[in-house]
Amino acid sequence: AQSVTQLGSHVSVSEGALVLLRCNYSSSVPPYLFWYVQYPNQGLQLLLKYTTGATLVKGINGFEAEFKKSETSFHLTKPSAHMSDAAEYFCAVSPIKAAGNKLTFGGGTRVLVKP
Amino acid sequence: DTGVSQDPRHKITKRGQNVTFRCDPISEHNRLYWYRQTLGQGPEFLTYFQNEAQLEKSRLLSDRFSAERPKGSFSTLEIQRTEQGDSAMYLCASRPRQGELYGYTFGSGTRLTVV
Repeated sequence: AQSVTQLGSHVSVSEGALVLLRCNYSSSVPPYLFWYVQYPNQGLQLLLKYTTGATLVKGINGFEAEFKKSETSFHLTKPSAHMSDAAEYFCAVSPIKAAGNKLTFGGGTRVLVKP
Repeated sequence: DTGVSQDPRHKITKRGQNVTFRCDPISEHNRLYWYRQTLGQGPEFLTYFQNEAQLEKSRLLSDRFSAERPKGSFSTLEIQRTEQGDSAMYLCASRPRQGELYGYTFGSGTRLTVV
């Protein structure tokens, strides 16, 4: 079974500061990895994903994440926070070559951006 | 609009009543998923369809829950004899056959409140 742990349910950053959201996963084999963002009363929007190839992945809105197999991590970063980044962020994994490829999510990290 | 549509956006019901939600996926997507998200938690997998066939159901899906996708297009999720613990956001997502590399497209969800 796969599981995802997101360290810190809430993160507060100042506008212009670095955003760092941590994600560790547990899986018998390296899975596909995703970061989603959710704004209040909305569905989830894909920020970025890692499937194969380059371990540093760039996504939308200036976010990027690095897959580190040895650390079973997929941390999300953004160099400079913007007020519009205030939202909840979810890390998720999906098994490779499994029927359905359903997503397993972490518990989420809510980001507050201070002016 | 080519996104995933869910209806209604909000539903308030009395305990013991039946409710039904609808999801219209992206037309060319043959896989459709239902997830449930309780307050402060990440989404949890409920069930998924490939075309009209329901291929997997989570243990979270008690016998009060039933999902259908009769013609392989839209899907419905029905909850019978609702309980307060059913209060949650119900998210629908879809993806194409070989879409595991592309992530899911989520709808905006149906928020259910059982009073």
